[in-house]
Amino acid sequence: DVVMTQSPLSLPATLGQPASISCRSSQSLVSGNGNTYLSWFQQRPGQSPRRLIYMLSTRDSGVPERFSGSGSGTDFTLKISRVEAEDVAFYYCMQGTHWPPTFGQGTRLEIK
Amino acid sequence: EMRLVQFGGGLVKPGGSLRLSCEASGFNFEKAWMSWVRQAPGTGLEWVGRIISKNDGAAADYTSPVKGRFTISRDDSKNTLFLEMNSLKTEDSAMYYCTSGGAVWGQGALVTVSS
Repeated sequence: DVVMTQSPLSLPATLGQPASISCRSSQSLVSGNGNTYLSWFQQRPGQSPRRLIYMLSTRDSGVPERFSGSGSGTDFTLKISRVEAEDVAFYYCMQGTHWPPTFGQGTRLEIK
Repeated sequence: EMRLVQFGGGLVKPGGSLRLSCEASGFNFEKAWMSWVRQAPGTGLEWVGRIISKNDGAAADYTSPVKGRFTISRDDSKNTLFLEMNSLKTEDSAMYYCTSGGAVWGQGALVTVSS
């Protein structure tokens, strides 16, 4: 299985300041059709996961523009341009290029 | 509004069985590739398995820890997804979520396997 490694696992962030989470895969996530099936999910305490980004950099409907995804091959990043209080949550990257889909360990974002 | 509402879950003894269901609304369930994802207490997310649309063959795939014990099925006439879990082990204890390709998620169903 493809191993997804996130860093940091804990992210103390400052309100109004940028924050970023890194995700590295053990194999390239570029599929045969040229697409990269890398998604980012947010999970607030006591809630179901919510997808923020799919196919590397496409934001889901309703996701604030302050969230962006980037990267290539095996290295990926989720960036929050200005952290807000509602962003307190766990964040997971997930690859869907290789079966089975696999998630990173999760990054806990908290406000300093 | 796209929605998934889950039913089932509960306490079961090791070796026992349980069936979860997931009712979809607000999107074309018949064409959707549906999955189950679980989350053990205090841990991260783990993909359990997936069933593709009937039009694409309705085949199901599973991750190694559940293969041979879990069965995913669907009833498109009722817009419902199922997860049949047999020979349950304590390590199967988790919150189980249904999801449509990661875009829409159910509220989760807690499964506890304990004697």
